[in-house]
Amino acid sequence: AQSVTQLGSHVSVSEGALVLLRCNYSSSVPPYLFWYVQYPNQGLQLLLKYTSAATLVKGINGFEAEFKKSETSFHLTKPSAHMSDAAEYFCAVSDRGGTSYGKLTFGQGTILTVHP
Amino acid sequence: GAVVSQHPSWVICKSGTSVKIECRSLDFQATTMFWYRQFPKQSLMLMATSNEGSKATYEQGVEKDKFLINHASLTLSTLTVTSAHPEDSSFYICRVRDPEAFFGQGTRLTVV
Repeated sequence: AQSVTQLGSHVSVSEGALVLLRCNYSSSVPPYLFWYVQYPNQGLQLLLKYTSAATLVKGINGFEAEFKKSETSFHLTKPSAHMSDAAEYFCAVSDRGGTSYGKLTFGQGTILTVHP
Repeated sequence: GAVVSQHPSWVICKSGTSVKIECRSLDFQATTMFWYRQFPKQSLMLMATSNEGSKATYEQGVEKDKFLINHASLTLSTLTVTSAHPEDSSFYICRVRDPEAFFGQGTRLTVV
């Protein structure tokens, strides 16, 4: 079984400040890990994914995440927050490797608020 | 990149009626799609796995007779909420498995 824990349901930062959203996972097999962003009443947009290649993954909109096996973590960061980053972020783990992505198990989500 | 189109984006229906939600994969073939439900301020919960040409696989606790899934072609999966009740009001989202784990735009269902 797999699980994802996102530490902090709400994170608030000032515009221009570092964004750090925490995600820890549990998996019995080497995982695929994902970060998604969701704006109100919209679907999920893929920010980035880890698929056992480079441990530091760069995504869209300036976000990146580092896979740390020893810490079972996949934290999402962005050096400088922008107002448009305000949204809800979900970390997810996949139950399959190879070339396809099976069932995704999601964390509870973290709402990011950006203050001017 | 790959695009998943979900329709409608929102729907309001009367209690007791049925609602069909479509999920289309554009420019690629999707043999497997997933359907999720998201209640307000909650995470996504997998409802079922839709497989082209075969029966869907439902997660524990999801009523297969209430949430009918049809995956008749490689580009289209549909979710029909039958005899809808207010407690079925939720945000429904589809996802493709390959080539990327892309999601549809979601459908906001409100049952009145």
